[in-house]
Amino acid sequence: QKEVEQNSGPLSVPEGAIASLNCTYSDRGSQSFFWYRQYSGKSPELIMFIYSNGDKEDGRFTAQLNKASQYVSLLIRDSQPSDSATYLCAVSGDSGAGSYQLTFGKGTKLSVIP
Amino acid sequence: SQTIHQWPATLVQPVGSPLSLECTVEGTSNPNLYWYRQAAGRGLQLLFYSVGIGQISSEVPQNLSASRPQDRQFILSSKKLLLSDSGFYLCAWSGGSGTGVISPLHFGNGTRLTVT
Repeated sequence: QKEVEQNSGPLSVPEGAIASLNCTYSDRGSQSFFWYRQYSGKSPELIMFIYSNGDKEDGRFTAQLNKASQYVSLLIRDSQPSDSATYLCAVSGDSGAGSYQLTFGKGTKLSVIP
Repeated sequence: SQTIHQWPATLVQPVGSPLSLECTVEGTSNPNLYWYRQAAGRGLQLLFYSVGIGQISSEVPQNLSASRPQDRQFILSSKKLLLSDSGFYLCAWSGGSGTGVISPLHFGNGTRLTVT
């Protein structure tokens, strides 16, 4: 059973601070990693994806991947109240017969306090 | 640009009634298509995925079925709904995938289904 673990939170950070969201996964063969943002009552929205070890930056967002430790994180710099949402980590895995699908974590709820 | 349409947005159905949810994608060809369900307080659960017309793979045994009658159309159905079928149903598409590498999934706006 492939697992993706996230701290459910809530994670509260003051406006302007750095929010750090973490995710661990069980499948060592995973090669694709995604972060989605989901506002309450809405569908998930892709924020970032990363395939290689290291950091990937896009605006205020940085994804960090460490395959040896089976760990992926998302940093949000200069956090804004509009960043308040649930953040979902998704990791690829072999579902059989060479088919690769995503397993989602249950999400971390982030609250940015003005 | 690619867009994904999913309808209806909300649905209230009695137990034992049939279900049909539809999803269409524009602006791309031969997409991979997915149906996910998100139950209250739970993570996203993959129900079905399709890599082409008529090709459906089921991830979870249940009373739901899926069909892909056209390249960019994906339908989720049930003959008789159960209370446990309540949830937020999400259609998604992605581009082609390589070995072990998955293209990002893009979700529709979802259908909130309540079975009473």
